[in-house]
Amino acid sequence: QQKVQQSPESLIVPEGGMASLNCTFSDRNSQYFWWYRQHSGEGPKALMSIFSNGDKKEGRFTAHLNKASLYVSLHIKDSQPSDSALYFCAVNNYAQGLTFGLGTRVSVFP
Amino acid sequence: DAGVTQTPRHEVAEKGQTIILKCEPVSGHNDLFWYRQTKIQGLELLSYFRSKSLMEDGGAFKDRFKAEMLNSSFSTLKIQPTEPKDSAVYLCASSLDWAYAEQFFGPGTRLTVL
Repeated sequence: QQKVQQSPESLIVPEGGMASLNCTFSDRNSQYFWWYRQHSGEGPKALMSIFSNGDKKEGRFTAHLNKASLYVSLHIKDSQPSDSALYFCAVNNYAQGLTFGLGTRVSVFP
Repeated sequence: DAGVTQTPRHEVAEKGQTIILKCEPVSGHNDLFWYRQTKIQGLELLSYFRSKSLMEDGGAFKDRFKAEMLNSSFSTLKIQPTEPKDSAVYLCASSLDWAYAEQFFGPGTRLTVL
């Protein structure tokens, strides 16, 4: 059974600062990795996906994947108050579908 | 394009009642998922349909939770009878593919069982 663990549980970041979120997974057959973001009162929404080792950048967001280390991370550059949300790491393998971590709550203060 | 819609947004039930939550997936999506979200357990998969066929019936949830897909554009989740521990946010999501495609989530139904 896939285990997905995220750290830290919560993060406070000044506006304009960098937020770094970590995620580890247990199944070496995992193939696809997602970051979802959930604002209060809404459902989660996909931010970005990554499936190759290395970095993937989309605007202010950069995901990093190291399958050998069972590790994926998300970095948010130039954090904005609108980035305050719950961030989920989600890991896919074809057998089990999508498994979510418990999330990291990011608070960006002006 | 309309996203995933869920009704009601809020539901309050007495212990022992039957409640039915509703979901309309994104048009054209083949897969539909029901999740329960709590702070302690996070997002837990309750049921999964592929092209209207039930693929995952929720394991530990199956005794009081029943999801149905009446047609490709409408699904329900019935909880019978409700218990206070069922208080949570229930999320519906849809996608083009089980394994690799993005899941699109609805806004959720917040259920409170007294």
